[in-house]
Amino acid sequence: GDSVTQMEGPVTLSEEAFLTINCTYTATGYPSLFWYVQYPGEGLQLLLKATKADDKGSNKGFEATYRKETTSFHLEKGSVQVSDSAVYFCALGAGGSYIPTFGRGTSLIVHP
Amino acid sequence: DTGVSQNPRHKITKRGQNVTFRCDPISEHNRLYWYRQTLGQGPEFLTYFQNEAQLEKSRLLSDRFSAERPKGSFSTLEIQRTEQGDSAMYLCASSFSRSSYNEQFFGPGTRLTVL
Repeated sequence: GDSVTQMEGPVTLSEEAFLTINCTYTATGYPSLFWYVQYPGEGLQLLLKATKADDKGSNKGFEATYRKETTSFHLEKGSVQVSDSAVYFCALGAGGSYIPTFGRGTSLIVHP
Repeated sequence: DTGVSQNPRHKITKRGQNVTFRCDPISEHNRLYWYRQTLGQGPEFLTYFQNEAQLEKSRLLSDRFSAERPKGSFSTLEIQRTEQGDSAMYLCASSFSRSSYNEQFFGPGTRLTVL
């Protein structure tokens, strides 16, 4: 079945450091790919998405490129802020139901 | 727009008791989803409604779980005869089926602890 594998956390960085959170997937067909973010005490929010190969999703300085050849959708940000501290979930949506399959989440902690 | 709301935010119960959670979606959204999230895991899909119709149920949803959305607005999730393994965060999300992607908006969740 469909699955998403993300790097384990926590990822701990200093402010203004470069961020990469790896995500790879297994799916039949051509899924859409997403990154969600969950801030402490809040629900998940869609951060960015890509619906076909080579698409780049971007939002709030975060980017991820849909790489079909490596079945990957790594999240990157050039300069993280303390306010980026949260749990990040990679997810895929396949078929017509739009019900995402989520990875386990990666906790990001950014220190001043 | 007040977003998706869930009540209660926390629930502690004894094993064997029944519990009910409520989700109020964004008012114009016709789809409503329930997920379960345990510590260190991503959300797992339980069930979803389009308007008042329950269209899909996960195999995770045992016969002790039942969900309703009687008027196509708010939804309730009931767990009967709770077990310690039911302890988790229960998330609700809503979406509008005619949006370009069907983006889901999540509520803050209800944290259930079964003693």
